[in-house]
Amino acid sequence: LAKTTQPISMDSYEGQEVNITCSHNNIATNDYITWYQQFPSQGPRFIIQGYKTKVTNEVASLFIPADRKSSTLSLPRVSLSDTAVYYCLVGDPSGNTPLVFGKGTRLSVIA
Amino acid sequence: EAEVAQSPRYKITEKSQAVAFWCDPISGHATLYWYRQILGQGPELLVQFQDESVVDDSQLPKDRFSAERLKGVDSTLKIQPAELGDSAMYLCASSFGTVRRNTIYFGEGSWLTVV
Repeated sequence: LAKTTQPISMDSYEGQEVNITCSHNNIATNDYITWYQQFPSQGPRFIIQGYKTKVTNEVASLFIPADRKSSTLSLPRVSLSDTAVYYCLVGDPSGNTPLVFGKGTRLSVIA
Repeated sequence: EAEVAQSPRYKITEKSQAVAFWCDPISGHATLYWYRQILGQGPELLVQFQDESVVDDSQLPKDRFSAERLKGVDSTLKIQPAELGDSAMYLCASSFGTVRRNTIYFGEGSWLTVV
């Protein structure tokens, strides 16, 4: 299983763009990169998933360089409600290999 | 949007008592997961089902924990006897499998406090 490394915490002001980088040096060929968001006392919520280059949805963008050894979650113009823990996971799309959560990155958005 | 249902939301139990959690996954999701999350840490997988079969229970403390998914739909996680260290949030999740490439949908969780 590919291990991931993320910063423990980040602070940002409202309205700024936030980039959270995740390292996954031993990512396998079949692995996808998935990011989840978790608010206190709630289950994690899927944000975005990608394999290579760039993926964008209504919530975030995911940038993956050619070597795929890292990825960056980009949250545009964060608000106070984006304060949460963000998890980067790497896994095989077959679904037979369980996704392993690390400790995540605690993002605090300040007014 | 369909959700993963869990109950109870909160449970306080005394040490050595039995406790059970129930989960109803999103309709059509063949894969069901139980995770345990201790405060300040990421979720830890306890058991994974594919339909009614256990795919992975390597992290399930089998001396006191059991999980079943008899008809391949809803699932129950039981702890007997509960210990103080079992205090945590127990998360149920489900996925459709390969179609959404490991997109896992989580329930709201069941908070357990053992006193």
